[in-house]
Amino acid sequence: GAGVSQSPRYKVAKRGQDVALRCDPISGHVSLFWYQQALGQGPEFLTYFQNEAQLDKSGLPSDRFFAERPEGSVSTLKIQRTQQEDSAVYLCASSLTAGVYNEQFFGPGTRLTVL
Amino acid sequence: QKEVEQNSGPLSVPEGAIASLNCTYSDRGSQSFFWYRQYSGKSPELIMSIYSNGDKEDGRFTAQLNKASQYVSLLIRDSQPSDSATYLCAVNTGGFKTIFGAGTRLFVKA
Repeated sequence: GAGVSQSPRYKVAKRGQDVALRCDPISGHVSLFWYQQALGQGPEFLTYFQNEAQLDKSGLPSDRFFAERPEGSVSTLKIQRTQQEDSAVYLCASSLTAGVYNEQFFGPGTRLTVL
Repeated sequence: QKEVEQNSGPLSVPEGAIASLNCTYSDRGSQSFFWYRQYSGKSPELIMSIYSNGDKEDGRFTAQLNKASQYVSLLIRDSQPSDSATYLCAVNTGGFKTIFGAGTRLFVKA
């Protein structure tokens, strides 16, 4: 079956522009996670959805970051007024169930470069 | 102190040897532990999960967990050049958040 997909795979934005990153999780997966990964670092948690409910957004770095999953499937991560420090790979992961034992499956990521 | 710590490496082992990757975590209440492999320019791929103390084996991979010492490790037997990658340790502390270490780079020399 299809894995997690993300689009676009690469995005170049001028500082101050808004961007929207899309994630299509594995069909039927309840949990969806967004991560930010800087070069040479592990993924940093941004936010978590259980179906359409955003249950944890503690990792979002500022109020310029916003995520939604309105119908419990596709999710969008939006970054307003992008800054150079937002340049990173944004990873989406999904998991069949909720809870601490969920195994996460990652999409290919979106590499965002802010000029 | 970082919540999940790994030696950044690189760890270099000859082909056919055992590679040993280590990870420590700070939250004693952590409940689930995962190892991911990440090739350069690719996304993390789940290798193993472990939830209780002891060893868990899957093919050439063995995960070991010691909750008293807050330590989790991954052994790769008969290492192959294709195992060369960054290995990420990930820990769920009981909430919705999974914390990743910075990863250990492994090089397997042919």
